[in-house]
Amino acid sequence: GAGVSQSPSNKVTEKGKDVELRCDPISGHTALYWYRQSLGQGLEFLIYFQGNSAPDKSGLPSDRFSAERTGGSVSTLTIQRTQQEDSAVYLCASSLGRVPNQPQHFGDGTRLSIL
Amino acid sequence: TQLLEQSPQFLSIQEGENLTVYCNSSSVFSSLQWYRQEPGEGPVLLVTVVTGGEVKKLKRLTFQFGDARKDSSLHITAAQPGDTGLYLCAGAYSGGSNYKLTFGKGTLLTVNP
Repeated sequence: GAGVSQSPSNKVTEKGKDVELRCDPISGHTALYWYRQSLGQGLEFLIYFQGNSAPDKSGLPSDRFSAERTGGSVSTLTIQRTQQEDSAVYLCASSLGRVPNQPQHFGDGTRLSIL
Repeated sequence: TQLLEQSPQFLSIQEGENLTVYCNSSSVFSSLQWYRQEPGEGPVLLVTVVTGGEVKKLKRLTFQFGDARKDSSLHITAAQPGDTGLYLCAGAYSGGSNYKLTFGKGTLLTVNP
């Protein structure tokens, strides 16, 4: 498909387990974002990748969260030793980047539930 | 911490009514975007405004950017059930990174037939 693809769409896991979320951005988009959306809250910025530049990790809430982007395309967000407060929808977006005001194209998210 | 306040948080109206959603901050935006999000899907961009006082129209939706670029509004005329969804404003703050957006908590709109 032509849009941003995220997998899995739903993930249920036990507290303390590690989880890995995947994002396939739109082909040709150099910028990739991860956000977290909790119930009743807006989107919380987590991390931003732009081409080969060092990522902006300023939104990661703790050192249990990490993200990679391999080959400037696919990205994975990893949460180690999950806690119940990590339950949320994790959204990925991509854009053309480097040009101001570019629209961000979002995937449908991964709904993460920590038991 | 820069905050972006949206109001109202919830809005339930009848088909055919008009409504306005507000987005406010104490800081100046270099640009502001409005998104609509439906259940189980990601947000979809509706419009970007960059100039103070700018007005943009998208069919029955009218977007206005405040003269001082600190606030914005979304007005829907003759709302339809298909307008139901979560409306999010997101701003890039002047003097900050133009790629980093701060999102409001959203306005959940329900249009009843």
